Amino acid sequence: QLVESGGGLVQPGRSLRLSCPTSGFTFSAYAMSWVRQSPGKGLEWVGLIRSKAFGATAEYGASVKGRFTISRDDSKSIAYLQMNSLKPEDTAIYYCAKSMTVPGSKYYFDYWGQGTLVTVSS
Amino acid sequence: DIQMTQSPSTLSASVGDRVTITCRASQTISTWLAWYQQKPGKAPKLLIYEASTLEGGVPSRFSGSGSGIEFTLTISSLQPDDFATYYCQQYYTFGKTFGQGTKLEIK
Repeated sequence: QLVESGGGLVQPGRSLRLSCPTSGFTFSAYAMSWVRQSPGKGLEWVGLIRSKAFGATAEYGASVKGRFTISRDDSKSIAYLQMNSLKPEDTAIYYCAKSMTVPGSKYYFDYWGQGTLVTVSS
Repeated sequence: DIQMTQSPSTLSASVGDRVTITCRASQTISTWLAWYQQKPGKAPKLLIYEASTLEGGVPSRFSGSGSGIEFTLTISSLQPDDFATYYCQQYYTFGKTFGQGTKLEIK
């Protein structure tokens, strides 16, 4: 189970942190991803964080690189998405997703949370 | 970035129909492709990974095929629960990974 929280209304330029507490699987063994969906639009990959076994390093999509940071707390089985310098175009439902790894640092998403809505507006 | 293009964008069909959705990559991605189903107000659900491997619990009427740049998702006999939006996702590289979606509507 994955249950995102932390969404809400935020002004442009401000920050917000989303949390994704998980249960039902060995969190530390898996990469975790964030995917967003603007209202009425398609899916956009935001980024992922690898498991500690792969260095717990992160990758980001071009539209959020330098502004968003993904982290993880394996002791609590929680993934985080820190969003800084928010823009109106960041308005979306944000999903966290458990990520399956195949050799060569390739990831698809086998379990998703229900999403949390972030609205960036003045 | 690899671009993923799905066709059609919208598909009208009836219960019992056989339907096919196509996903084309702008460069070869081997078989690193997944398909997801999303219903309104819900999170996406994984159907198929590695182009043709059915995720556990997914009905066998769903199948995937393809490699390289062209892939298909086929539903052999549409059921009422299948009307949803379907997305392909390449996981060959990071970046723009999802197609724009195909909305499957009731005719």
